[in-house]
Amino acid sequence: DSGVTQTPKHLITATGQRVTLRCSPRSGDLSVYWYQQSLDQGLQFLIQYYNGEERAKGNILERFSAQQFPDLHSELNLSSLELGDSALYFCASSPDRGNQPQHFGDGTRLSIL
Amino acid sequence: GQNIDQPTEMTATEGAIVQINCTYQTSGFNGLFWYQQHAGEAPTFLSYNVLDGLEEKGRFSSFLSRSKGYSYLLLKELQMKDSASYLCAVRDQLASNYQLIWGAGTKLIIKP
Repeated sequence: DSGVTQTPKHLITATGQRVTLRCSPRSGDLSVYWYQQSLDQGLQFLIQYYNGEERAKGNILERFSAQQFPDLHSELNLSSLELGDSALYFCASSPDRGNQPQHFGDGTRLSIL
Repeated sequence: GQNIDQPTEMTATEGAIVQINCTYQTSGFNGLFWYQQHAGEAPTFLSYNVLDGLEEKGRFSSFLSRSKGYSYLLLKELQMKDSASYLCAVRDQLASNYQLIWGAGTKLIIKP
C-alpha cells in the first residue's frame, strides 16, 4: 500500500461527457502528479501541483484541468471526453518538489464508450 | 533534447539473472529512478541512483554511469512474480521543476 488513494477505481462513461478523478496523497506529501497511461503505452506526465500551486505542465490537453486543494487532495477534471481518452490515470505524490521518489496510487481506469 | 531508451521486451528463465539497460540523453541529469509495474497496476519504486556506481537492494541492483549516460537494473534469482514492466526515469534539473523524464519501459517475461 503506497498510501496514495485514488477514486473511483473504475469509471465508464460516454463521449462528450465530463468526469472528475480524485487523489489523496500520502500523509505529509506536498507534491501531487497526474499521469495518463494508455493500453501498453508508457506513462505520460500531465501536471504537477506543489502545496496548492501548479508547478509543472506536461502533455495535458486543454480539455483537461486539475487543482490541489488546501487539504492537499487533488482532482483531475476531464471534459468533452473522446474515445482516445480511455486510459489508466495515475496520481503520484512525493514529499517535496522532486528530489524524493514518487509513490503511485492504484489508478483510475477510465473507459469511454 | 531529452531521450530515454530501453529495450521493449526481454525474456529470461526462472532462477537466472537478467540485466535491463537504460540509456539517456538529458541536459541536466539529476538522478535516475527504476520502477516496477505489473500489468494494470501502479508503478512501484525500486531504486534511485544519483552518483556513479552500484546500489544493491536484495535481489535487485542498479548501476549508473553518468559519463556514459547509462544505467542498468540487475535482477538475480528470477522469480515468476518478477514478470512485469521496468521503467527507467531520469530527473532533469533543466526541465520544468526537475520533472522526471520516463522511458517507455521494458516488459520482462519470465519463463519456467
